[in-house]
Amino acid sequence: GENVEQHPSTLSVQEGDSAVIKCTYSDSASNYFPWYKQELGKGPQLIIDIRSNVGEKKDQRIAVTLNKTAKHFSLHITETQPEDSAVYFCAASMRARDDKIIFGKGTRLHILP
Amino acid sequence: KAGVTQTPRYLIKTRGQQVTLSCSPISGHRSVSWYQQTPGQGLQFLFEYFSETQRNKGNFPGRFSGRQFSNSRSEMNVSTLELGDSALYLCASRQGADEKLFFGSGTQLSVL
Repeated sequence: GENVEQHPSTLSVQEGDSAVIKCTYSDSASNYFPWYKQELGKGPQLIIDIRSNVGEKKDQRIAVTLNKTAKHFSLHITETQPEDSAVYFCAASMRARDDKIIFGKGTRLHILP
Repeated sequence: KAGVTQTPRYLIKTRGQQVTLSCSPISGHRSVSWYQQTPGQGLQFLFEYFSETQRNKGNFPGRFSGRQFSNSRSEMNVSTLELGDSALYLCASRQGADEKLFFGSGTQLSVL
């Protein structure tokens, strides 16, 4: 089955700098790659996603890149702000009616003042 | 539109007991997935129900079971609780084949 590895497990960046979180997946059939953000006391919330027919997607300060050949994808957050402090999860699945979404172990992002 | 609702929010049990957690999905969502979240293992997939049928299952022992009702509400049951079952249990719903998951705030289970 699918396995998703996520690095680093903890990341501290200065406010205003960029943060990058990387994930690799094992199943070459996976074609949908979402990123979720979990704030303290809340459930994860989808922030951006990408499909395998797209190499990059951007939404304001957040961008995701996908390298299908290497089977890895990354989340990039630019101009980080205090409200970006949270746990971020990457995930992978095969877009089909009966697919399941497998998550990485998460990255705790700290934005330093 | 109300979000995903999980009850109870917190639960304390002792080893050997059993527990039932409840999840009400977003109105119109027929798929409900359950995940176990622990500090060391992240989000681990338990199972997914769609139209009252289990359509996917993760690698958890048979002590973990679930069901879905005709109104799409779902329950998860853990029997013979172990200390290692202490975790945040998250429920997520989605609409049909749409991949986007909407999570509840979870049930924090502590096994003493």
